[in-house]
Amino acid sequence: AQSVAQPEDQVNVAEGNPLTVKCTYSVSGNPYLFWYVQYPNRGLQFLLKYITGDNLVKGSYGFEAEFNKSQTSFHLKKPSALVSDSALYFCAVRDRAWAGNMLTFGGGTRLMVKP
Amino acid sequence: NAGVMQNPRHLVRRRGQEARLRCSPMKGHSHVYWYRQLPEEGLKFMVYLQKENIIDESGMPKERFSAEFPKEGPSILRIQQVVRGDSAAYFCASSPPALGSRSEAFFGQGTRLTVV
Repeated sequence: AQSVAQPEDQVNVAEGNPLTVKCTYSVSGNPYLFWYVQYPNRGLQFLLKYITGDNLVKGSYGFEAEFNKSQTSFHLKKPSALVSDSALYFCAVRDRAWAGNMLTFGGGTRLMVKP
Repeated sequence: NAGVMQNPRHLVRRRGQEARLRCSPMKGHSHVYWYRQLPEEGLKFMVYLQKENIIDESGMPKERFSAEFPKEGPSILRIQQVVRGDSAAYFCASSPPALGSRSEAFFGQGTRLTVV
């Protein structure tokens, strides 16, 4: 079984400040990890993924995420937040060892960036 | 290369009617996934299909819901005898076969089903 936890329903940050959106996961084997963003009344847009190699992954719009195997975490970060970053963010996991191949999503974190 | 296309974008059905949601995956993608999103909630996996095969339907309700991905044409999610609790956004995603489980899934804009 695989699962994802996003412990914060909402994160508030001032424009220009760094932001972190937390994600922890649980898989029986090794994970593939993903971050997506959803704007109102839209589908999910892919931001970045961790497959293998460097634990720090860089993605779209200046976002990055750090894979930490010992803490089973994959937190999303950005050095300087923009108002336009305000959206719903989803972390997702896929267990490499499982042939089912579907992504399991966390419950989502709403990011509010205030001017 | 067009993205994942879902139609209709909005669908209103009366209780007891049938709802048919369509999804055309990205060109070259043979894996299709359906997810359901209730208001202010995350995405719940429903079903994973490849051409003419249901690979994993562990997230599908046992009754009234069915899905197919025929050799030709779009994938269809069918909900029979809809009830108010079926009101949600239904998202389709696709991924290519070449990268397997390494690939991200590409999502459509969703179909927002309202049951009145």
